[in-house]
Amino acid sequence: DTGVSQDPRHKITKRGQNVTFRCDPISEHNRLYWYRQTLGQGPEFLTYFQNEAQLEKSRLLSDRFSAERPKGSFSTLEIQRTEQGDSAMYLCASSLGVGTQYFGPGTRLLVL
Amino acid sequence: KNQVEQSPQSLIILEGKNCTLQCNYTVSPFSNLRWYKQDTGRGPVSLTIMTFSENTKSNGRYTATLDADTKQSSLHITASQLSDSASYICVVSASEGGGADGLTFGKGTHLIIQP
Repeated sequence: DTGVSQDPRHKITKRGQNVTFRCDPISEHNRLYWYRQTLGQGPEFLTYFQNEAQLEKSRLLSDRFSAERPKGSFSTLEIQRTEQGDSAMYLCASSLGVGTQYFGPGTRLLVL
Repeated sequence: KNQVEQSPQSLIILEGKNCTLQCNYTVSPFSNLRWYKQDTGRGPVSLTIMTFSENTKSNGRYTATLDADTKQSSLHITASQLSDSASYICVVSASEGGGADGLTFGKGTHLIIQP
């Protein structure tokens, strides 16, 4: 399977814990995006990378959130001191330049 | 403010019937419009993409239309199948820059096909 993959698919954690998600994009894609999606809503942009450079961050990305793409390939999204409001589906997408974004299956986070 | 409004919010139809989903947008300057299908618990999958000069595009039983003058798009599904049950998300690109200003997502239409 050469699509976008995300790990884990599901994560349950207690409030205050840190969590880290991983995204492996399509190999030749230079852009990688992170989105958050809550029930009944469309995806909300969080941040994106072009190669290893993080070019833009949304206001939604509080200082508890950090994303990296150290070698321009896979990316990680870490949430520190999780809150119940962080419960959502976290989607990763990749694209070649400004072409169509291909989404991964998402990581569903539940904060208790 | 760039916005994408989709209607209806949800729709239930019988298997085999046709349906049309609507998308109205106030995104400027317009670059392109995409329809995505999102199965429950999965990531969105691109169905069609249309630029300013295109007013219709088909992908199997899915046909998207675009009226750039009225800033409206529709997604028509013909002879619906149970596997069409999903959320359909309209996404409009305002520029070629990507990122937060590049794409505006609608909230989606939740479609249920009943046997």
